[in-house]
Amino acid sequence: GQNIDQPTEMTATEGAIVQINCTYQTSGFNGLFWYQQHAGEAPTFLSYNVLDGLEEKGRFSSFLSRSKGYSYLLLKELQMKDSASYLCAVLDSNYQLIWGAGTKLIIKP
Amino acid sequence: IAGITQAPTSQILAAGRRMTLRCTQDMRHNAMYWYRQDLGLGLRLIHYSNTAGTTGKGEVPDGYSVSRANTDDFPLTLASAVPSQTSVYFCASSDSSGRATDTQYFGPGTRLTVL
Repeated sequence: GQNIDQPTEMTATEGAIVQINCTYQTSGFNGLFWYQQHAGEAPTFLSYNVLDGLEEKGRFSSFLSRSKGYSYLLLKELQMKDSASYLCAVLDSNYQLIWGAGTKLIIKP
Repeated sequence: IAGITQAPTSQILAAGRRMTLRCTQDMRHNAMYWYRQDLGLGLRLIHYSNTAGTTGKGEVPDGYSVSRANTDDFPLTLASAVPSQTSVYFCASSDSSGRATDTQYFGPGTRLTVL
């Protein structure tokens, strides 16, 4: 079967750095997405990786290792508004998105 | 309209009743999707449409039906609601289906409670 694993919940301090991991086992791979979802709101797109390596976008970076079936989202200079759930999703061989359950990130002052 | 809209925002429904959730996008995206999101679970695909006039079943299609008469609208119908269909429903769209750079954009969601 297809599986996406992420930690259920993480806590970090304002101003610090946090890394959210995602491991996947899917039938084929056509890219990995990270989305942010604030409580009670819709998911919004953060990043897309299809090649190995690090993609940087402001305070957020996303890393992919296809051989290890592994990705992480790195958030720097954490702000209170970064408190949200972070969803990892993989585009499989049928170009369907397979979603992880999400990681709830709690930021403390 | 800007982006994707869904209606209603929330609804309480008696079991056995028929209900249609509406979804409209103005981005001229080819592909549209319906997901349900339940606590502790990832988004699960109910039905999708790669282009107007075509639909397909996702991971959890039972009890739901969809239609895609035109590019903009993609309604989801529950023929006879059951309590297990209590969930938050998200509609999404993307510019093209089958491309690796596809990105899905989500509507604000409909919170449905079936009693």
